[in-house]
Amino acid sequence: DIQMTQSPSSLSASVGDRVTITCRASQGISNYLAWYQQKPGKVPKLLIYAASTLQSGVPSRFSGSGSGTDFTLTISSLQPEDVATYYCQKYNSAPGLTFGGGTKVEIK
Amino acid sequence: QVQLVESGGGLVKPGGSLRLSCAASGFTFSDYYMSWIRQAPGKGLEWVSYISSSSSYTNYADSVKGRFTISRDNAKNSLYLQMNSLRAEDTAVYYCARDPYGDYYFDPWGQGTLVTVSS
Repeated sequence: DIQMTQSPSSLSASVGDRVTITCRASQGISNYLAWYQQKPGKVPKLLIYAASTLQSGVPSRFSGSGSGTDFTLTISSLQPEDVATYYCQKYNSAPGLTFGGGTKVEIK
Repeated sequence: QVQLVESGGGLVKPGGSLRLSCAASGFTFSDYYMSWIRQAPGKGLEWVSYISSSSSYTNYADSVKGRFTISRDNAKNSLYLQMNSLRAEDTAVYYCARDPYGDYYFDPWGQGTLVTVSS
């Protein structure tokens, strides 16, 4: 089974900082990667699919990149409302729709 | 707007059974693949099962294969998860979610229903 590893597991940054989260697949998955945001006590929300396509309504400060095994989610200017845990998910083959372990983002 | 509302969670003893439901509204339910995803308390996300729009295809995570059964009733705009032989490690919030393009990612998600397996 393909494993998805996110790093870091948590980070603390200041408002306005550029934040980058990494997701690595144990095997190549082309661009079959999605990113989700889960705010504290809330339901996960789709941010990005196909590695870099922004879901409708998601602020443009969020962006995704990568292909194959290495992917990144970038928040260009961190805002207080971005405090959340972020998950990547591979979907190149089903079953095995694996999520990464999550990255918790906090404000410094 | 698109809405997914889960129900049926609760406290059940190990080895017991439970049936979760997800009521869909605001979209043509019969056009979409649907999935169940769970989240143990304080833990990450785990995909559980999916079902195709016409129920032709289903699939399960290895952790639940042979114990859980996904189904749907397109006439009732409803998704189900029959959970048998429940274990403590099945304790989680269970979310239903729509697959927007049949590509096996999820949007939107319901609010979730908590299943607790404990004696």
